[in-house]
Amino acid sequence: EADIYQTPRYLVIGTGKKITLECSQTMGHDKMYWYQQDPGMELHLIHYSYGVNSTEKGDLSSESTVSRIRTEHFPLTLESARPSHTSQYLCASRGGQGIPYGYTFGSGTRLTVV
Amino acid sequence: AQKITQTQPGMFVQEKEAVTLDCTYDTSDPSYGLFWYKQPSSGEMIFLIYQGSYDQQNATEGRYSLNFQKARKSANLVISASQLGDSAMYFCAMRDVSGGYNKLIFGAGTRLAVHP
Repeated sequence: EADIYQTPRYLVIGTGKKITLECSQTMGHDKMYWYQQDPGMELHLIHYSYGVNSTEKGDLSSESTVSRIRTEHFPLTLESARPSHTSQYLCASRGGQGIPYGYTFGSGTRLTVV
Repeated sequence: AQKITQTQPGMFVQEKEAVTLDCTYDTSDPSYGLFWYKQPSSGEMIFLIYQGSYDQQNATEGRYSLNFQKARKSANLVISASQLGDSAMYFCAMRDVSGGYNKLIFGAGTRLAVHP
């Protein structure tokens, strides 16, 4: 069973719309991450959070923003969607120490902006 | 900078045969961790196997084993007795702590097709 949930699973939306991709985890993990993945390509980190009210930008520049008001919730927002935002967005969380460092991924949101 | 390289965009294998997916890495950090993930067409990332840089033995998990050659900086995934359900993208990843935060960096992936 999944301990990290992403909704929606698929989203087709028009240019200029505001969207929020939801990510929630039930494991109490402090660390959460957003990765962006173009079809058949590698994942790139766009945002991460080390706890409530802590958010940072990742390696890949993104026009999206994130918030972390509750430990379990790490939503990603695009204020004005564009076709260049079409991609898959994967959320992950990580627990404390220990092999394999507890990275758990959600099922992803496939976003298409038309 | 840390980097993961997967040079095989696509591989195919006959059902029940073994296949090796290549992964090389570059890091100056003496302590690191290497991961393999499977991504089916449905999109989720499924953790397969982990190898720590100080582990003395190659990691194994069921039909998955990791051929870890530290001097060559390679961490190839070996899948034994391939099954049709193994058809998917496979990503090699490394734990990266540069920049003051812990994250995974990924290779470009290898698409594996298992033929009956």
